[in-house]
Amino acid sequence: GQQVMQIPQYQHVQEGEDFTTYCNSSTTLSNIQWYKQRPGGHPVFLIQLVKSGEVKKQKRLTFQFGEAKKNSSLHITATQTTDVGTYFCAPADRGSTLGRLYFGRGTQLTVWP
Amino acid sequence: GAVVSQHPSWVICKSGTSVKIECRSLDFQATTMFWYRQFPKQSLMLMATSNEGSKATYEQGVEKDKFLINHASLTLSTLTVTSAHPEDSSFYICSAPEGNHNQPQHFGDGTRLSIL
Repeated sequence: GQQVMQIPQYQHVQEGEDFTTYCNSSTTLSNIQWYKQRPGGHPVFLIQLVKSGEVKKQKRLTFQFGEAKKNSSLHITATQTTDVGTYFCAPADRGSTLGRLYFGRGTQLTVWP
Repeated sequence: GAVVSQHPSWVICKSGTSVKIECRSLDFQATTMFWYRQFPKQSLMLMATSNEGSKATYEQGVEKDKFLINHASLTLSTLTVTSAHPEDSSFYICSAPEGNHNQPQHFGDGTRLSIL
């Protein structure tokens, strides 16, 4: 399956600070999805990026897909305590019609009030 | 919205026991479901793809005789951990895409399995 490197593994910020997590692949991705998992919970879908250079926003969250479709990022502006959780990128298996996802190792975000 | 129900939430049992975990899509049909395993503070590792009406597709390194998958209907997939041992203790979670395969996945709440 698709192998991606996600950094950083941990990020601790004070409420109001910004946060960014990066997902990098050595190969071109067909598409990439982002999920959030709260402590003790299950992953929840955030966004899917498909097009080269695509940028999507959801309130304080901005998602980008690189021009070469080899990297992606999630940026949160002015973090809140509700943003706490682990953020995973998950590229779809290239060429597969089965929708298999191979999750990055995730970035665990801690927000201090 | 689409909901995936997973049962049970917790299982604690003795070594050697076989444990069955159910994953149901409640308001949509899923010809394909996925099973993941997650260790504490680690990522989700895809174990297998459950295919309705046919054999599951296992990821490399996953023992198919150890982790039996059955997808008997369009709304139900089961994972049976056979002769479980302490090293099988983990968080098992299923997912299903709503619609075609490249749609977002809806996840169950997961099953925390502890083998004594």
